[in-house]
Amino acid sequence: DGGITQSPKYLFRKEGQNVTLSCEQNLNHDAMYWYRQDPGQGLRLIYYSQIVNDFQKGDIAEGYSVSREKKESFPLTVTSAQKNPTAFYLCASSRGVENIQYFGAGTRLSVL
Amino acid sequence: KQEVTQIPAALSVPEGENLVLNCSFTDSAIYNLQWFRQDPGKGLTSLLLIQSSQREQTSGRLNASLDKSSGRSTLYIAASQPGDSATYLCAVETSGSRLTFGEGTQLTVNP
Repeated sequence: DGGITQSPKYLFRKEGQNVTLSCEQNLNHDAMYWYRQDPGQGLRLIYYSQIVNDFQKGDIAEGYSVSREKKESFPLTVTSAQKNPTAFYLCASSRGVENIQYFGAGTRLSVL
Repeated sequence: KQEVTQIPAALSVPEGENLVLNCSFTDSAIYNLQWFRQDPGKGLTSLLLIQSSQREQTSGRLNASLDKSSGRSTLYIAASQPGDSATYLCAVETSGSRLTFGEGTQLTVNP
């Protein structure tokens, strides 16, 4: 059963804490993406990776970090430097440039 | 910088009505335009993708058009059903496979 799996579904962060959101895909896609969605707004690109061991900053990368050690995995770390982390985080993947992006179910992050 | 605008922000229609959602973008140098559907608290589902060289795409009761020169796209939904209720997002792809999203149109179809 192919798809994109994000975990956990809900996550709570204490002040000053780093948290990591998981994104795994078994679609054999080269490109993966992380977006942030705030209430009533569209998605904003945080980071993206077009190939293993390479990634680029999106429009709102400050306070976030990523790694792409495996083709299937693209974890996102929300660092303590991100002062307003409460949002809905969506991961996506695609075969490459000019292809449809497939999305996971999302992780909702809240601050305690 | 590419900006995408969707009008209206919210729309409520009776079941069976045909409707049009609008999307406009400021930079016509796009690779493609996609329409997505998002149910509350869920991820996005791609509905239609129109390449920059195409004028329209159809899938079932959905038809999307693209006028790249004027920076506009429409999503036409025929014979709307309560199950069509969701937020519809428009996104354009520019260089580096980056998508720029609009803020969405929240559609409610009343039985």
